[in-house]
Amino acid sequence: NAGVTQTPKFQVLKTGQSMTLQCAQDMNHEYMSWYRQDPGMGLRLIHYSVGAGITDQGEVPNGYNVSRSTTEDFPLRLLSAAPSQTSVYFCASISFAPRAGINSYEQYFGPGTRLTVT
Amino acid sequence: AQSVTQPDIHITVSEGASLELRCNYSYGATPYLFWYVQSPGQGLQLLLKYFSGDTLVQGIKGFEAEFKRSQSSFNLRKPSVHWSDAAEYFCAVGAPTGANNLFFGTGTRLTVIP
Repeated sequence: NAGVTQTPKFQVLKTGQSMTLQCAQDMNHEYMSWYRQDPGMGLRLIHYSVGAGITDQGEVPNGYNVSRSTTEDFPLRLLSAAPSQTSVYFCASISFAPRAGINSYEQYFGPGTRLTVT
Repeated sequence: AQSVTQPDIHITVSEGASLELRCNYSYGATPYLFWYVQSPGQGLQLLLKYFSGDTLVQGIKGFEAEFKRSQSSFNLRKPSVHWSDAAEYFCAVGAPTGANNLFFGTGTRLTVIP
């Protein structure tokens, strides 16, 4: 298994440009999430998905769109980048069967994408 | 609403000394609780998790954490710190109905001196 992969690792955008951050997992996990990490603020949830075709907003969704057409992929789109979106972005996938107990819980984070918007 | 407080922004300990990182949470019920470690420029690695049962949880790399309901705390401990433990540590809580959505603390940076 490759785990959770993210591309690109680094990106510089100009204000107003658009781009898509890619996230893929090969573990057949239902849950996938996007977080952003800013100094002194920990990680904050942007959007999440509980399965193919189902997405929802997290704590800081403004300026970002997501879709989940397959179980494997969960891309994050910036339609019009702003300097406030300069951050490190992490994708995560989770597999959990509550009835199976704590040992069924698996969570993996991708290596991150460092985005700078000028 | 859930919230997580890590009151210590930065902690410095000597190699071989014991370590305790504090975490307090605010939630209406017993949440799922996690500790993660992040080395510079790296992603997050899950150290340990607590869902229910025994309040003392063992994790990887010799770490343990204790859930104290009365104090709404989930402090991380290690009896003897190694230089390789220098990193940033994050406490997180998740709702029992959806452990996929986590609320993170602001992190504690650990420096280990020889």
